[in-house]
Amino acid sequence: DSGVTQTPKHLITATGQRVTLRCSPRSGDLSVYWYQQSLDQGLQFLIQYYNGEERAKGNILERFSAQQFPDLHSELNLSSLELGDSALYFCASSVDGQGKDTQYFGPGTRLTVL
Amino acid sequence: AQSVAQPEDQVNVAEGNPLTVKCTYSVSGNPYLFWYVQYPNRGLQFLLKYITGDNLVKGSYGFEAEFNKSQTSFHLKKPSALVSDSALYFCAVRELYGNNRLAFGKGNQVVVIP
Repeated sequence: DSGVTQTPKHLITATGQRVTLRCSPRSGDLSVYWYQQSLDQGLQFLIQYYNGEERAKGNILERFSAQQFPDLHSELNLSSLELGDSALYFCASSVDGQGKDTQYFGPGTRLTVL
Repeated sequence: AQSVAQPEDQVNVAEGNPLTVKCTYSVSGNPYLFWYVQYPNRGLQFLLKYITGDNLVKGSYGFEAEFNKSQTSFHLKKPSALVSDSALYFCAVRELYGNNRLAFGKGNQVVVIP
């Protein structure tokens, strides 16, 4: 158990809908990262937050947004969902977001868009 | 931008034999290198990382990896494979002075045959 928690574990929804994925980092970690894992794209970095502020942005679509709250938990919002958004979404956390930090991953949320 | 190549899709090895999973990387500057393992329906588990110093890095569950700067490689090794080592293995790289994104390889499926 990495100490990173994600809810829900599974999510099934329809095209055009909006969902929110939640992540709680390990105790003491200030930085949160979001990744998308799909069969065709592999593991793709989406976005990073550090202590409430956006620090780095990856291949995140404009339909997707995220935030990190004062208690350091983070939410990833996915809107106008398309079939291609079906994937496993991982959250990871690290102590201070520096390059040598180890990122610890949560169990993931499996999103299925029908 | 940093990138990782894991050339083999699947690695088959007999239980008790040495296991090697190959990884080469591309960065501008010095790299931070990581190995993660993913079991079915689970998140990624951290195995080991190279930051600086000794080129041979020891990690969890008897795994080690050797950093070779001239060959830009970071191969994962285990002297004696166990059936329970069967999983998906990911190599990842971060640039020393770049952004904080972790670039992952496509992963290698390791199958340990009893």
